[in-house]
Amino acid sequence: AQSVTQPDIHITVSEGASLELRCNYSYGATPYLFWYVQSPGQGLQLLLKYFSGDTLVQGIKGFEAEFKRSQSSFNLRKPSVHWSDAAEYFCAVVTIQGGKLIFGQGTELSVKP
Amino acid sequence: GAVVSQHPSRVICKSGTSVKIECRSLDFQATTMFWYRQFPKKSLMLMATSNEGSKATYEQGVEKDKFLINHASLTLSTLTVTSAHPEDSSFYICSASSSGADTEAFFGQGTRLTVV
Repeated sequence: AQSVTQPDIHITVSEGASLELRCNYSYGATPYLFWYVQSPGQGLQLLLKYFSGDTLVQGIKGFEAEFKRSQSSFNLRKPSVHWSDAAEYFCAVVTIQGGKLIFGQGTELSVKP
Repeated sequence: GAVVSQHPSRVICKSGTSVKIECRSLDFQATTMFWYRQFPKKSLMLMATSNEGSKATYEQGVEKDKFLINHASLTLSTLTVTSAHPEDSSFYICSASSSGADTEAFFGQGTRLTVV
């Protein structure tokens, strides 16, 4: 069965520091992978997605993610974090049947001044 | 990106009553809509998948008689929580996609349901 694991429940980084959020997936075929961000009490906003092609994907708000098939990973990175990046981040994989998303547990990002 | 509107954003209801949540795709035709439930500090749990004009497909453990889903048109899906109880209090989020597994799903802003 497909699954997504985000090993880090909570991460705190200093403003201006770099960020990497980990995501590992389990999927039999080439996955479609997503990163979403959720602010408190809000819905989800898509940061970036990987379907095929270049394994380094650029997203909005300065985020990027790299698909590594050998490691079954799709880690999210940002070179310099801003205070407004504090939020919950979800990695997800879409199942081939009907396009439903399977989410990871989420990583809460806190940004300290 | 496309816009999905979810209404209401917050609702408080009494135990035993029913609550309807609407999910509308404003600028595209959503052949498939998904309903998720999110507990505090938890991930999103898929409840059901609905395709326009057909019955919803519920995930294991989700009571279809309690959570009624209707997808009557290509732009509207509704989730009705029937005979609500305090344990149904949660954050409910819908998403909509046009077609296929490789198309993006757009999310509504969520509905905070509190049953008192």
